[in-house]
Amino acid sequence: DAGVIQSPRHEVTEMGQEVTLRCKPISGHNSLFWYRQTMMRGLELLIYFNNNVPIDDSGMPEDRFSAKMPNASFSTLKIQPSEPRDSAVYFCASSLWPPDREWTGELFFGEGSRLTVL
Amino acid sequence: KQEVTQIPAALSVPEGENLVLNCSFTDSAIYNLQWFRQDPGKGLTSLLLIQSSQREQTSGRLNASLDKSSGRSTLYIAASQPGDSATYLCAVRPTDSWGKLQFGAGTQVVVTP
Repeated sequence: DAGVIQSPRHEVTEMGQEVTLRCKPISGHNSLFWYRQTMMRGLELLIYFNNNVPIDDSGMPEDRFSAKMPNASFSTLKIQPSEPRDSAVYFCASSLWPPDREWTGELFFGEGSRLTVL
Repeated sequence: KQEVTQIPAALSVPEGENLVLNCSFTDSAIYNLQWFRQDPGKGLTSLLLIQSSQREQTSGRLNASLDKSSGRSTLYIAASQPGDSATYLCAVRPTDSWGKLQFGAGTQVVVTP
């Protein structure tokens, strides 16, 4: 079975450019999470969706960041304009939250998109 | 605010020794705690998930314990192998936040042949 698929795996861009990161969750999963990992701050939750609806975006650093989930099989994280301090590895994770049962909290991560902003 | 700490930050052991990794958290109001493994340049892989009502979970050579009242979890890896070299992270799921797992910074493990 395919896991969480992220693209691109590596992105190098210049300050001010728009960056779009993409994620395809595991088929059948109905929750999707965007995390950012840096050496200084570790793993930080940016935003998460349940059934394609954004539930909590309080982790999004500022208005330059936006995320969408137009359908159950695709999500994007966009940074516009990008800045050097946005350099990090961005992870997408998905999970199954059964409507009739408690969510276990088990997450399945993609391999990440390493972003470098010069 | 929940804080998750993992000490030590790095650990090196010879092959065959048992590994003991520690995770502490400041607020005992959690649903569960997960242990993850991260290989260099890769994503995180969930190893074990312990519900707040459980004391331990086992999978093969891995055993994780949870003492919620004292805010501690320990991951034991028996008879370590070079393939166990990775960074191990723990994460708690607070009861006041449905989707927000709080991660520790991880322990980087090197198992030398």
